[in-house]
Amino acid sequence: AQSVAQPEDQVNVAEGNPLTVKCTYSVSGNPYLFWYVQYPNRGLQFLLKYITGDNLVKGSYGFEAEFNKSQTSFHLKKPSALVSDSALYFCAVRDDPRGSTLGRLYFGRGTQLTVWP
Amino acid sequence: DAEITQSPRHKITETGRQVTLACHQTWNHNNMFWYRQDLGHGLRLIHYSYGVQDTNKGEVSDGYSVSRSNTEDLPLTLESAASSQTSVYFCASSRTTDMNTEAFFGQGTRLTVV
Repeated sequence: AQSVAQPEDQVNVAEGNPLTVKCTYSVSGNPYLFWYVQYPNRGLQFLLKYITGDNLVKGSYGFEAEFNKSQTSFHLKKPSALVSDSALYFCAVRDDPRGSTLGRLYFGRGTQLTVWP
Repeated sequence: DAEITQSPRHKITETGRQVTLACHQTWNHNNMFWYRQDLGHGLRLIHYSYGVQDTNKGEVSDGYSVSRSNTEDLPLTLESAASSQTSVYFCASSRTTDMNTEAFFGQGTRLTVV
């Protein structure tokens, strides 16, 4: 079965510093990987995705993620954090759409990112 | 603009009552999903649908049901509300055949069962 692990419940970083939010995955077949962000009292918003191609994926709001097949990781990164980046971040993996579950998303537990001024 | 809306945004109900949460999307997406979000568990899939008249159980489907009579709506019903169903519920939709497609989420419904 597909699964996603986010090993850190919380990440704290000072504004202007680089940030990393970790994600590892387990899939059968090719991974389809996503990052979503949730601001307080809002639904999840799509940030970026890896389907195939370059291992470094660029997304919204200056975020990027690095796909590492050998380490089965898809860490979210940003070179310079902003206070407004403070939110809950979810990593997700999608089933192979050709399989029986037709592309369901499996989410990690989420990582609360706090960026202090 | 196309969107996905949930109603109500907040709901307080009593144990044992039947409750229905609405989800409506205007993207004409075939795929629709219901998740619940709880501290320490992240998002867990309750039910999902890949088209009209299609419904499937997710990982935490007990006590919940859905129906899909048209493309736009996937209402979630709690047959007999329990305190364990106090949670924030999110509806999502995505296109059906494109494996690259991300999901779009509603703003959530906060349900309290007392």
